[in-house]
Amino acid sequence: QSVLTQPPSVSGAPGQRVTISCTGSSSNIGAGYDVHWYQQLPGTAPKLLIYGKNNRPSGVPDRFSGSKSGTSASLAITGLQAEDEADYYCQSYDSSLSASGVFGGGTKLTVL
Amino acid sequence: EVQLVQSGVEVKKPGESLKISCKGSGYSFTNYWIGWVRQMPGKGLEWVGVIYPHDSDTTYSPSFQGQVTISADTSISTAYLQWSSLKASDTAMYYCARLDYSDSSGHLDYWGQGTLLTVSS
Repeated sequence: QSVLTQPPSVSGAPGQRVTISCTGSSSNIGAGYDVHWYQQLPGTAPKLLIYGKNNRPSGVPDRFSGSKSGTSASLAITGLQAEDEADYYCQSYDSSLSASGVFGGGTKLTVL
Repeated sequence: EVQLVQSGVEVKKPGESLKISCKGSGYSFTNYWIGWVRQMPGKGLEWVGVIYPHDSDTTYSPSFQGQVTISADTSISTAYLQWSSLKASDTAMYYCARLDYSDSSGHLDYWGQGTLLTVSS
């Protein structure tokens, strides 16, 4: 059971907009800690997608955006493309877990 | 160019010991934390722990405390993850990543390619 809860799967057609939620608690997201997002393509290492207050590393398209409210965060992907099919993970920090980072369980995005 | 290069595939027997490595280059190794992440077959990412090479300050996720040891050698810009007695349940891909604490929770901005560990009798 992950500290951060994500839906196991989401799907969308090319060109559509999809969102992936990440729900935490008062000891992590709700405490004001930033939420980051990673993309993992099949058979590859995870890649940083969104960090901090909706920042994108160089090379990440602006079709990807992040937001946070209360004890939850969301990743939005607009103009869905076939190459976006991957696993997506949220990550934050939890003050109740020996000062440790925490991940969500991951969400499989299928492009129909 | 920032790079993290990990040691190769490992196949070990239960009870054996192991130390895998992660060599950083292209940045000041001592100034950034290094994190380790586990991914069991077909499963999600799990936070193992982190080390600050400058002073070897280390924190572990409660699930991994006492199960593994994280260390670093600044003279060769390398971090390590080690086990004293492997179990079949340690079978997984292990990633190292650079941790950037420029925000409130720290994000993993550069990742190694992963080390695949298989523990089987």
